[in-house]
Amino acid sequence: GENVEQHPSTLSVQEGDSAVIKCTYSDSASNYFPWYKQELGKRPQLIIDIRSNVGEKKDQRIAVTLNKTAKHFSLHITETQPEDSAVYFCAANPRASYDKVIFGPGTSLSVIP
Amino acid sequence: EPEVTQTPSHQVTQMGQEVILRCVPISNHLYFYWYRQILGQKVEFLVSFYNNEISEKSEIFDDQFSVERPDGSNFTLKIRSTKLEDSAMYFCASIPGSWGYGYTFGSGTRLTVV
Repeated sequence: GENVEQHPSTLSVQEGDSAVIKCTYSDSASNYFPWYKQELGKRPQLIIDIRSNVGEKKDQRIAVTLNKTAKHFSLHITETQPEDSAVYFCAANPRASYDKVIFGPGTSLSVIP
Repeated sequence: EPEVTQTPSHQVTQMGQEVILRCVPISNHLYFYWYRQILGQKVEFLVSFYNNEISEKSEIFDDQFSVERPDGSNFTLKIRSTKLEDSAMYFCASIPGSWGYGYTFGSGTRLTVV
């Protein structure tokens, strides 16, 4: 089945710097890759997603890139702010399924003021 | 903005007891899911539900688990005989249809089995 790896597990950056989180997936048929942000004690919330027919997508300070050949995708956060501190999860849908996504293990991002 | 509603927010139960977790998905959504998250760990798929039946389930979703949508609005997860290792946050999620939609998660039910 689909396996999603995520690195690093923890990331600490100075406010204003950029943060990059990388994920790899195993199922070459996967075609949908969402990213979720989870603040402490809260639900995961979708922050950006990308489909396999697109290589890059941006939304203000957040961007996601996808390399289908290498089966990896990355989240880029620019000009980080303390409110970006949270756990970030990448995910992928196995077998191009609409039935589920499989989540990575998460990256705990700390933005130091 | 429409929300997925989950009740209760926290449930404490004795090992071996049955629990029912309730969810009200967004009204025009067609696909429903249960995920769970053990404290500090990743979000794990349990089951997906479409057209009033299970479309896929994980190996975690054994015979102790069941789901139903009894009245067209509520979506429930039942754990028949709880174990200590069932202690986790349980999230319901829904999407409007087909693939390529991000989940709208409910606020979760924290289940503690003692």
